[in-house]
Amino acid sequence: DTAVSQTPKYLVTQMGNDKSIKCEQNLGHDTMYWYKQDSKKFLKIMFSYNNKELIINETVPNRFSPKSPDKAHLNLHINSLELGDSAVYFCASSHRGAGTRGYTFGSGTRLTVV
Amino acid sequence: TQLLEQSPQFLSIQEGENLTVYCNSSSVFSSLQWYRQEPGEGPVLLVTVVTGGEVKKLKRLTFQFGDARKDSSLHITAAQPGDTGLYLCAGTHGSSNTGKLIFGQGTTLQVKP
Repeated sequence: DTAVSQTPKYLVTQMGNDKSIKCEQNLGHDTMYWYKQDSKKFLKIMFSYNNKELIINETVPNRFSPKSPDKAHLNLHINSLELGDSAVYFCASSHRGAGTRGYTFGSGTRLTVV
Repeated sequence: TQLLEQSPQFLSIQEGENLTVYCNSSSVFSSLQWYRQEPGEGPVLLVTVVTGGEVKKLKRLTFQFGDARKDSSLHITAAQPGDTGLYLCAGTHGSSNTGKLIFGQGTTLQVKP
């Protein structure tokens, strides 16, 4: 009965590789997000999709490409991985606006680029 | 840029003590949320406050939204080791309906038995 599930939990890869992280939610939310948490635990939004439409695209290198095949899924593909991409990536979902009901987060994917 | 400044960044206290975490901004937020994150997990929503001056209680946790909706505080009474974790405040900006949350830097709380 996991609400927001993302895979894999851990990802160790070499510089220059391409990798994907998958996310699925079963809460019936219409908006999904990708956040990056750095080594100082700061969470910063990367992308947001509402009903498969991209609505937020923060200043993120174009090596990062989100894809939402339907409103329950939001995947993140990263090309040509760099050392600085090492971080924990969180998927989250909410009803649009999230003002009062907040986000539901996945448990994160720890990406280590070596 | 709308920033949320949390203080203190780190707090280590003994079981039974009280504490307060602050979240401040120069911007007005339409709502302010508090999350707790444990190691290896994602943040979990504790509470949302939307009205200036609003106070909400969750057992031993008391949350307050400032009158001007620029700041918030989290007070924990008689802290327990189970309260240990990273506490994050996050705000939504009223002019946007994108759901974008702006997070503070977090407060790491350690409660020693």
